[in-house]
Amino acid sequence: NAGVTQTPKFRVLKTGQSMTLLCAQDMNHEYMYWYRQDPGMGLRLIHYSVGEGTTAKGEVPDGYNVSRLKKQNFLLGLESAAPSQTSVYFCASRPDSTGMTKNIQYFGAGTRLSVL
Amino acid sequence: KNQVEQSPQSLIILEGKNCTLQCNYTVSPFSNLRWYKQDTGRGPVSLTIMTFSENTKSNGRYTATLDADTKQSSLHITASQLSDSASYICVVSPRRTGNQFYFGTGTSLTVIP
Repeated sequence: NAGVTQTPKFRVLKTGQSMTLLCAQDMNHEYMYWYRQDPGMGLRLIHYSVGEGTTAKGEVPDGYNVSRLKKQNFLLGLESAAPSQTSVYFCASRPDSTGMTKNIQYFGAGTRLSVL
Repeated sequence: KNQVEQSPQSLIILEGKNCTLQCNYTVSPFSNLRWYKQDTGRGPVSLTIMTFSENTKSNGRYTATLDADTKQSSLHITASQLSDSASYICVVSPRRTGNQFYFGTGTSLTVIP
């Protein structure tokens, strides 16, 4: 059971370059999330999706786009990377359940991105 | 403003000792509070989850407490092991469902032999 898989694990970009981060989950979860984690700050929500074909903005969406064409995949795109986007990016998913024990986010291992 | 504050920022303890991590929150309304463990280079993993009606929840050597009146939670680690070295993150949800989660900045715990 792979859980939540993020690719790539590391990436270095030059300012202005574009890239796509891929998140795949094999747990048939409805909800998926993209967060960024910066030193001294809690995880901040970039975008999220409540189901296939849907996306919504989070706390810090500027400079990012997302797509959820398939239920198991959630893509995060940077159209024109900036040094301020240097961060560790985490994808998470959770089931659509009101049961508290099941309403848990499962996180991927993260993608470490550096923008020079 | 909805905030989650954790203390201490970092902590070093000897293997075998106990420790307690603190989480104070101002999130309102309040539905549940979770503690996550994040190993270096990995994503957070859920340890415990408590609703407003629960005072304590255990997961092995980890025991979380919650005082919803004072909006405080603690995570107590008993008989620490080297593998407990990690960042511990407190997360508060205002609603039972929904997609709003307030993350603390975490406490970095280092257990030394």
